[in-house]
Amino acid sequence: QSALTQPPSASGSPGQSVTISCTGTSSDVGGYNYVSWYQQHPGKAPKLMIYDVSKRPSGVPDRFSGSKSGNTASLTVSGLQAEDEADYYCSSYAGSDSDVVFGGGTKVTVL
Amino acid sequence: EVQLVESGGGLVQPGGSLRLSCAASGFTFSAYWMHWVRQAPGKGLEWVSRITSDGSTTTYADSVRGRFTVSRDNAKNTLYLQMNSLRAEDTAVYYCARVYCDGAGCYKGFQHWGQGTLVTVSS
Repeated sequence: QSALTQPPSASGSPGQSVTISCTGTSSDVGGYNYVSWYQQHPGKAPKLMIYDVSKRPSGVPDRFSGSKSGNTASLTVSGLQAEDEADYYCSSYAGSDSDVVFGGGTKVTVL
Repeated sequence: EVQLVESGGGLVQPGGSLRLSCAASGFTFSAYWMHWVRQAPGKGLEWVSRITSDGSTTTYADSVRGRFTVSRDNAKNTLYLQMNSLRAEDTAVYYCARVYCDGAGCYKGFQHWGQGTLVTVSS
């Protein structure tokens, strides 16, 4: 149950786009189309932003998009806004024995 | 509205035990698998455990297997996490979580989270 690999930080100016990568293995990210992304502000519970690689729950702005290629998934935040500054975590289903594995998190800074 | 409220956290000595509870409301608790996720101070999220809707099957992270036990009481709409042989590295905020569901079905992302309960393992 190794954690997925995310860059520790990413940044962009308001209005720009930022993309965060999430690298796993063929046993998790590459093996299933069950990658999710979460946004977490300090002191708050995580918020689901993307599920099933690229789907958005109701209420999540379409500025947030997800994709996957092989063992690496990506989250892109377009049109960066100040409120997008937060920690972002990816997760993937990893089979019935391991269930869910998370990435280490990426801190997004809006410059 | 789906609500999840954790309780039972606190300070415990290494080797001690603690039982966390998660009171659920706003949905048919007995129909959903439930999960525990934890977050050590200043660290990332870590999936801990999962239990099926009827409580018949449980799954654990390697880091807690053999020490933690997840259970549920569907009559009380409550999820539990019994934590034994606690270690300093178990110090974390513990969240209960439920997956996202819409009219088409349920998915593997965690849409609903409690506010978390802090467990501190220290002498």
